[in-house]
Amino acid sequence: AQSVTQLGSHVSVSEGALVLLRCNYSSSVPPYLFWYVQYPNQGLQLLLKYTTGATLVKGINGFEAEFKKSETSFHLTKPSAHMSDAAEYFCAVMGFGNEKLTFGTGTRLTIIP
Amino acid sequence: EAGVTQFPSHSVIEKGQTVTLRCDPISGHDNLYWYRRVMGKEIKFLLHFVKESKQDESGMPNNRFLAERTGGTYSTLKVQPAELEDSGVYFCASSQDYGSGEKLFFGSGTQLSVL
Repeated sequence: AQSVTQLGSHVSVSEGALVLLRCNYSSSVPPYLFWYVQYPNQGLQLLLKYTTGATLVKGINGFEAEFKKSETSFHLTKPSAHMSDAAEYFCAVMGFGNEKLTFGTGTRLTIIP
Repeated sequence: EAGVTQFPSHSVIEKGQTVTLRCDPISGHDNLYWYRRVMGKEIKFLLHFVKESKQDESGMPNNRFLAERTGGTYSTLKVQPAELEDSGVYFCASSQDYGSGEKLFFGSGTQLSVL
């Protein structure tokens, strides 16, 4: 069984400040981990993913995430927030050989000018 | 290249009525998925088609939901009769490769409101 916990349904940061969105997972098999973003009136878009190899993964728009197996975490960060980063972010896990994505409840990111 | 397209974008119906949602996947994508997000909760898997066959329908809530993919192209998800708890956003996704995750493309969803 797999599950994802995203701490904080709403996060607000000032423009230019660090963005940190938290994600913890549980999985009985080595997981594939994902972050998706949904901008208003758009579909889910893949930000980045971890499958194997390097635990620090870089994605689009300056975002990155680090897979920490000992902490079962996959937190999403961006050094400097832009107004265009305002969106809802979803962490997801997929077990190897299992096609289904298990999502967290999402975090809505607001950027304060 | 056109993305995953969903119709309608919004649907408002009364309890007991029938609604049909449609998804047009990216051309050539054999894998088609339906997910649902009930307000404030996580996005949950409903089912997975490979071409016209249901590969996994373990997430379908009950027998009021019927998904089809005749001819292996577009898919429909019918809810009959609709209940209040069916309200939410229904997402469709498609992929060419099985199990990679990174090549999964999502539509913008159908917002279903059951009154």
